[in-house]
Amino acid sequence: DVKVTQSSRYLVKRTGEKVFLECVQDMDHENMFWYRQDPGLGLRLIYFSYDVKMKEKGDIPEGYSVSREKKERFSLILESASTNQTSMYLCASCITSTDTQYFGPGTRLTVL
Amino acid sequence: AQTVTQSQPEMSVQEAETVTLSCTYDTSESDYYLFWYKQPPSRQMILVIRQEAYKQQNATENRFSVNFQKAAKSFSLKISDSQLGDAAMYFCAYNPRGGSNYKLTFGKGTLLTVNP
Repeated sequence: DVKVTQSSRYLVKRTGEKVFLECVQDMDHENMFWYRQDPGLGLRLIYFSYDVKMKEKGDIPEGYSVSREKKERFSLILESASTNQTSMYLCASCITSTDTQYFGPGTRLTVL
Repeated sequence: AQTVTQSQPEMSVQEAETVTLSCTYDTSESDYYLFWYKQPPSRQMILVIRQEAYKQQNATENRFSVNFQKAAKSFSLKISDSQLGDAAMYFCAYNPRGGSNYKLTFGKGTLLTVNP
């Protein structure tokens, strides 16, 4: 079975802190994604990566950056956390762009 | 831009009954994929069913089936013999085939409650 893991289930940070969310997949998938999930808004794509060191902006990239130094790991970085970044963050991966995406358990981030 | 609309924010069904969740989408593409994902409370999102637009036959997976109406751009999910474990948030999603667009576009979700 495909396994996608995220570094933390719950995270509490203060405004202005630099925050790292990590995602690891064990199936050699080319594509990895970071989504933000908010009630009533569904899932919104922040960034995605289709290869090592390659990244593309999604629909809401402002305030975020990403890093993919190794194929299995995709990190989401909040350079200076703000309260409006309090949300559930989901990581996903897939083989090709139109295949099933496999999701991690999510990180619920609270920024105080 | 593609959009996916789930018009029912919440639905409820009695155990063992059938329920249909609605999804419509807007696209100018002729070839694409459609998905239903399920997110149980505090658990990981998983794929329920996947439909390829060029296949006319509706996809089925055990108690889950879809009614894909390409001309109407409609993609509803039918859950038969509902079980307590079907209670979850359900998301409809769209992905065009080919090109450089890697993005899934999700609807806002339908929260399904199953009553015993």
